[in-house]
Amino acid sequence: DIQMTQSPSSLSASVGDRVTITCRASQSISSYLNWYYQKPGKAPKLLIYAASSLQSGVPSRFSGSGSGTEFTLTISSLQPEDFATYYCQQSYRNVVTFGPGTKVDIK
Amino acid sequence: QVQLVESGGGVVQPGRSLRLSCAASGFTLSSYGMHWVRQAPGKGLEWVAVIFYDESNEYYADSVKGRFTISRDNSKNTLYLQMNSLRAEDTAMYYCAKESLDSSGFYKTLDYWGQGTLVTVSS
Repeated sequence: DIQMTQSPSSLSASVGDRVTITCRASQSISSYLNWYYQKPGKAPKLLIYAASSLQSGVPSRFSGSGSGTEFTLTISSLQPEDFATYYCQQSYRNVVTFGPGTKVDIK
Repeated sequence: QVQLVESGGGVVQPGRSLRLSCAASGFTLSSYGMHWVRQAPGKGLEWVAVIFYDESNEYYADSVKGRFTISRDNSKNTLYLQMNSLRAEDTAMYYCAKESLDSSGFYKTLDYWGQGTLVTVSS
């Protein structure tokens, strides 16, 4: 199975900060990479698909990049509602795998 | 609007069985692959299983292979997860999620999720 890693595992940031999260795959997955966010007690929500395409309704301060084995999620100006845990997920194989998550909290 | 509602969770003893259901509405279930994803308390997301839209294939995480079975009844707009030989480490919130393909037809996502049903395996 394809293993996914994320860094950092957690970060503290302030409203207005630029935040970058990295996701790495154990083998090349082309652009078959999605990003989700999850708030406590809630179901995950899709943010970005195909590494860099913004899901409908997601604010433009979110962006994704990368291909192959290394990917990034960037939040250009962190807003109060963005404090959450972020997960990457590969869809290259039918056996899907998620990264371990990156928790973004308030500094 | 798309809605997914899970049910069937509860407290069960190790070694016993449980069947989860996911009632789908607002879309044609038979046109989409469907997944189960779980989340142990305080932990990250763990993918569990997928069933293709036409039931032609199923895939499982190694941690549940041989114990869990995903199935669907498109006539009832319902997805199922039969869980046998349950272990303490299966304790988690179980989410069903709808698969979607982007406009190119290549990239799969989980675009809608239910609110989850909690399974606790404990003696």
